[in-house]
Amino acid sequence: EIVLTQSPATLSLSPGERATLSCRASQSVDNYLAWYQQKPGQAPRLLIYDASNRATGIPARFSGSGSGTDFILTISSLEPEDFAVYYCQQRSNWPPTFGGGTKVEIK
Amino acid sequence: EVHLLESGGGLVQPGGSLRLSCAASGFTFSSFAMNWVRQAPGKGLQWVSAIGNSGGNTYYADSVKGRFTISRDNSKNTLYLQMNSLRGDDTAVYYCAKGRWINLWADWGQGTRVTVSS
Repeated sequence: EIVLTQSPATLSLSPGERATLSCRASQSVDNYLAWYQQKPGQAPRLLIYDASNRATGIPARFSGSGSGTDFILTISSLEPEDFAVYYCQQRSNWPPTFGGGTKVEIK
Repeated sequence: EVHLLESGGGLVQPGGSLRLSCAASGFTFSSFAMNWVRQAPGKGLQWVSAIGNSGGNTYYADSVKGRFTISRDNSKNTLYLQMNSLRGDDTAVYYCAKGRWINLWADWGQGTRVTVSS
């Protein structure tokens, strides 16, 4: 199965700062890479699919890029509600797999 | 509005069984594949199982294959997960989820907690 490695594990930033999260796949997933946000006690929320497409209702400050094995989620200017855990997920191969997550915390 | 409501979780002893349900509303249930995804306490997300829209095709993670059975009743708009031979590492919050594609999930339930412990 494809292993997704996210870095860093924790990102400490202040509101208004730019966040850059990385996801690396153990083999190519083409562009079949999604990003989810999860807050404590809540279900995950789909942010980005197929590497760079924002899901319905997702603010423009969230953007995704990359293809093959290396992907980036960028939050251009952190809002208070953006502090959460972010997971990447590939759907290129079965089984679908998730990365271990990056926690974006308030500095 | 899509609504997914899981139920059936609880405390069960190792080796025991449990059946989870997910009641769906707000969309044409019979048109969409459905999934179960779980999250162990303090851990990340793990896909568990998927089923095609008609129920004819099913998929399982290796860790649950042979122990869990996914099914659906399109007349009742309900998804199920029969879990047998439960182990401690099955302890998790179980979410049902759906999306445009079988392996991409835009809609999630609130989850139901399963605890396997003696």
